[in-house]
Amino acid sequence: DAGVIQSPRHEVTEMGQEVTLRCKPISGHNSLFWYRQTMMRGLELLIYFNNNVPIDDSGMPEDRFSAKMPNASFSTLKIQPSEPRDSAVYFCASSPGSYNEQFFGPGTRLTVL
Amino acid sequence: KNQVEQSPQSLIILEGKNCTLQCNYTVSPFSNLRWYKQDTGRGPVSLTIMTFSENTKSNGRYTATLDADTKQSSLHITASQLSDSASYICVVSPLSGSARQLTFGSGTQLTVLP
Repeated sequence: DAGVIQSPRHEVTEMGQEVTLRCKPISGHNSLFWYRQTMMRGLELLIYFNNNVPIDDSGMPEDRFSAKMPNASFSTLKIQPSEPRDSAVYFCASSPGSYNEQFFGPGTRLTVL
Repeated sequence: KNQVEQSPQSLIILEGKNCTLQCNYTVSPFSNLRWYKQDTGRGPVSLTIMTFSENTKSNGRYTATLDADTKQSSLHITASQLSDSASYICVVSPLSGSARQLTFGSGTQLTVLP
């Protein structure tokens, strides 16, 4: 198995632009998580899905952030409009269940200028 | 509020030496405690997972211990190697509730020097 796949690995954009991050979970995993990691705040859970359904999005910082999971093999995290304070590494993780071990992707390093 | 505190924040050791990282938590009751290793530029990878009834769990040169009474866990690394240089993150899951209540420590940054 290729593990969790994220794209792009790096994204540099200007303030105000729309950013879309993509994730392909491990096949057979029915839980998917989006995290943000910064030096100041460490790992923060933004949102997670069970069986493609958003369960808890209370970690999404603002309405500028949205996430979708149209099917079991694909999820997106969108930021519109982006701001410099959104600069961070965004991780996607999947697991066989919401309480099982999570397998993390390599992350997307986002820089908003 | 559930908290997980890790110490030290950073640690530098020489290759071949042993070291111990600490994790104190307030999550109660809790279901399990995990240690993750995160290499620079990569996602965290699970090292060990322990339930509240387990005292120790090993994974090669990594040994995690858990004292549920004092709410402390430690990760001991034996005969360190350069590849052990990474951030080590302690994560605690509550007994009930959603994945939202997973509590992450801020990590210990370990540097192993030749």
